[in-house]
Amino acid sequence: DTAVSQTPKYLVTQMGNDKSIKCEQNLGHDTMYWYKQDSKKFLKIMFSYNNKELIINETVPNRFSPKSPDKAHLNLHINSLELGDSAVYFCASSQEERKAFFGQGTRLTVV
Amino acid sequence: GESVGLHLPTLSVQEGDNSIINCAYSNSASDYFIWYKQESGKGPQFIIDIRSNMDKRQGQRVTVLLNKTVKHLSLQIAATQPGDSAVYFCAEVTGGGNKLTFGTGTQLKVEL
Repeated sequence: DTAVSQTPKYLVTQMGNDKSIKCEQNLGHDTMYWYKQDSKKFLKIMFSYNNKELIINETVPNRFSPKSPDKAHLNLHINSLELGDSAVYFCASSQEERKAFFGQGTRLTVV
Repeated sequence: GESVGLHLPTLSVQEGDNSIINCAYSNSASDYFIWYKQESGKGPQFIIDIRSNMDKRQGQRVTVLLNKTVKHLSLQIAATQPGDSAVYFCAEVTGGGNKLTFGTGTQLKVEL
């Protein structure tokens, strides 16, 4: 069983489109995150939710909107996609921040 | 500002040798320091962590050393194996455990 699963694994879309990435965890964790990894492998936190409540919102354009329908799910919706949004997006969950479990990543390519 | 960085972007070692991956940090308020391993096409995977009040912690074939005087963290991998080939990230935990800040990563290549 996959602990943290995200879909889709690959996403190719045109500029200006709106897309969503879904994430689900079956670990019973209270906290979920979205991270962005750029082409140089740099990982940066975007959002953090605890029990469906937003607790961290880094400097991310408001075109990015996370949604947590329940504590096992944290979806990421992106409006008006731009070329610079191309990256690998990772969902993660944890009970303690230092032992976050990451999903396999979603490689987003905006053309 | 906060920053976590690595000295070497790429490290090549012979199979069976020991590997040492280094990391410098600037935020003295970090609660924990963590090492993650990321294999190609996969998400980061937790390896080992160390509390800020410790100097050394050992795991299976891995040891993390923390030198708070010079704000330096290292990961030592004993008897490096081909399966250890990956990108290794150091990261620091702040904000009461709610924020994980990653360093830039080191690519470890194990040569046969």
